[in-house]
Amino acid sequence: DAGVTQSPTHLIKTRGQHVTLRCSPISGHKSVSWYQQVLGQGPQFIFQYYEKEERGRGNFPDRFSARQFPNYSSELNVNALLLGDSALYLCASSQPGLAGMNTGELFFGEGSRLTVL
Amino acid sequence: AQSVTQLGSHVSVSEGALVLLRCNYSSSVPPYLFWYVQYPNQGLQLLLKYTTGATLVKGINGFEAEFKKSETSFHLTKPSAHMSDAAEYFCAVSVWSSASKIIFGSGTRLSIRP
Repeated sequence: DAGVTQSPTHLIKTRGQHVTLRCSPISGHKSVSWYQQVLGQGPQFIFQYYEKEERGRGNFPDRFSARQFPNYSSELNVNALLLGDSALYLCASSQPGLAGMNTGELFFGEGSRLTVL
Repeated sequence: AQSVTQLGSHVSVSEGALVLLRCNYSSSVPPYLFWYVQYPNQGLQLLLKYTTGATLVKGINGFEAEFKKSETSFHLTKPSAHMSDAAEYFCAVSVWSSASKIIFGSGTRLSIRP
C-alpha cells in the first residue's frame, strides 16, 4: 500500500511569491495534518483537517492556508513568501478517534523542502 | 498548555552501549506520549506510544520507554546501540481534550561510534 505522498519534493521560490504544496494521505485515512520543520528543530504544527473541515490551527500567520478535498488529499498554500518560510513541510495522515481528535499515531510523508531566496 | 523538553540536542554512544534519550513533558491532563524517529531526508516514523495502561512501552527496533508520572518523564532506551540507530529522535505529546495537534520536542540527534 502507498504511504503518504507529497509533491513537489524540492522547490525554490523568491520572496513575495506564492507556493502550493500537495499531499495524498494513506488510503482510508481521513485526517491530514501539516507541519513545518525548520533545520535543527522539531516539527511545528500548522493545520489539521478532518472530513474537509479545519480541526486545529497552530500559531502561523494568515499567509498560511490549507484545504482538504473530497478524496481527503490536501493542499497547503503560503502567500507572500518570506526567507523564514524556508523549511521542510511535512504532511501526516491519520485515522482519528472520536470527533476527529488525533490520538497521536501520525504517518508522515517525506516532505517538501522549500527554499526561499 | 502541553509541551515537551528533550534534554541534550546531541547524544553519542558506542556501538553496543546503552542508549538513553531524555524527555520531560508538561501537561495539565493525562497525556498521550510518543517517540518518533527521523532518518536523513525522510519523514518521521513512530517508534512507540503511551496512551493508558502499562507504563513500560515497547516499540520497534528494540526501543522502549517508561512513563513516569511522578517525574513527568518519558525517557527512551535501548540496551545495545546499533549503527543503524543513528538518526534524529523526537518526543511528542498530545492531549485528548485539546485541539487536534501533537506537539514535538526539539529533537535529539543520536550518533553511534564504531
